[in-house]
Amino acid sequence: GQNIDQPTEMTATEGAIVQINCTYQTSGFNGLFWYQQHAGEAPTFLSYNVLDGLEEKGRFSSFLSRSKGYSYLLLKELQMKDSASYLCAGYDSNYQLIWGAGTKLIIKP
Amino acid sequence: GAVVSQHPSWVICKSGTSVKIECRSLDFQATTMFWYRQFPKQSLMLMATSNEGSKATYEQGVEKDKFLINHASLTLSTLTVTSAHPEDSSFYICSAHDVGRGETGELFFGEGSRLTVL
Repeated sequence: GQNIDQPTEMTATEGAIVQINCTYQTSGFNGLFWYQQHAGEAPTFLSYNVLDGLEEKGRFSSFLSRSKGYSYLLLKELQMKDSASYLCAGYDSNYQLIWGAGTKLIIKP
Repeated sequence: GAVVSQHPSWVICKSGTSVKIECRSLDFQATTMFWYRQFPKQSLMLMATSNEGSKATYEQGVEKDKFLINHASLTLSTLTVTSAHPEDSSFYICSAHDVGRGETGELFFGEGSRLTVL
């Protein structure tokens, strides 16, 4: 079956760095997304990786290793507003989006 | 980025009534829209794929007669929860790709509609 795994919850300190991991098992692969979702709101797009390597966008970076079925989202200089759920989602061979359960990130002062 | 608008944001209804939720792509055309449901502290669950001009494709376990989807134009899809019951209370979110922009396949989400059935 197809599966996306990510930790349920993580805690980090304001100003620090946190890495949220995601492993995937899909029938074929056409890219991996990271979305941020604040409580009670719809998800917002953070990144899309289809090739191996690290892509940086300001304080957020996303990494992909297709051979390992692995991705991570790296958040630097954490701010209180970064407290949210982070959803990992992958495209299978049919471009069907498979969602992870999300990682709730708690930022402490 | 592209904008998807969803209405209403909040709706409270009595058990047994029907509720319609609208999803509009404001600055692009969407031949396909996706309807998700999200229960508290859970991830998104795809309910159905709405196809302009044809029948929606429902995920396994989703009752098509209960969750009616109409995609009458390239910018509007509607989800009607018929004979709603308290267990239908959830956060319903629509989304679409803006394939016309040649983007990476990013999904643009509506604001979501929180349904509470009393």
